[in-house]
Amino acid sequence: AQSVTQLGSHVSVSEGALVLLRCNYSSSVPPYLFWYVQYPNQGLQLLLKYTSAATLVKGINGFEAEFKKSETSFHLTKPSAHMSDAAEYFCAVSEGNQGGKLIFGQGTELSVKP
Amino acid sequence: GAVVSQHPSRVICKSGTSVKIECRSLDFQATTMFWYRQFPKQSLMLMATSNEGSKATYEQGVEKDKFLINHASLTLSTLTVTSAHPEDSSFYICSASGEDYGYTFGSGTRLTVV
Repeated sequence: AQSVTQLGSHVSVSEGALVLLRCNYSSSVPPYLFWYVQYPNQGLQLLLKYTSAATLVKGINGFEAEFKKSETSFHLTKPSAHMSDAAEYFCAVSEGNQGGKLIFGQGTELSVKP
Repeated sequence: GAVVSQHPSRVICKSGTSVKIECRSLDFQATTMFWYRQFPKQSLMLMATSNEGSKATYEQGVEKDKFLINHASLTLSTLTVTSAHPEDSSFYICSASGEDYGYTFGSGTRLTVV
């Protein structure tokens, strides 16, 4: 069965600093992996997804993630944090092929200090 | 892009009453709908998966008689919380999966049972 682990429930960075949110997955089949962002009292917005194409995936708002099979990781990065990036971030893996249920990590709250 | 409209965004109901939450896919056909529950500062917990015209598949521990899911058309799914109690207070989010659009999330419903 698939699972996702996000290391660090809370990450704090300064504005302009590198953002690194960690995600490790477990899957017995080639996974589809996703990063979502959630603002308070809102639904989830897709940042990017990996679907077995290029291992470096570029998403919206300057975010990107690299799929590393050897490390079973899919860490999310952004070179320079903005205040507007402060939110909750979720990594997820799709069970089976695309369209199967999503298994979410515990979430990482990103704070951005001025 | 794909949009899922979820209503209401916020509802307060009395203990013992029922509440219906609707999710509509506005510009695509949602072959599968997922319903999640999210407690404060926690991740999303999948409650059930429904395919159009079929009975929903509930996750272990979710009472199917309490959380009624209907997916009568390719654009509409509803979640009815029956005989609601304060412990049912939570944030409920739907997600639609269609052939071309991956997963699209609704904006969520904050349910408060008093």
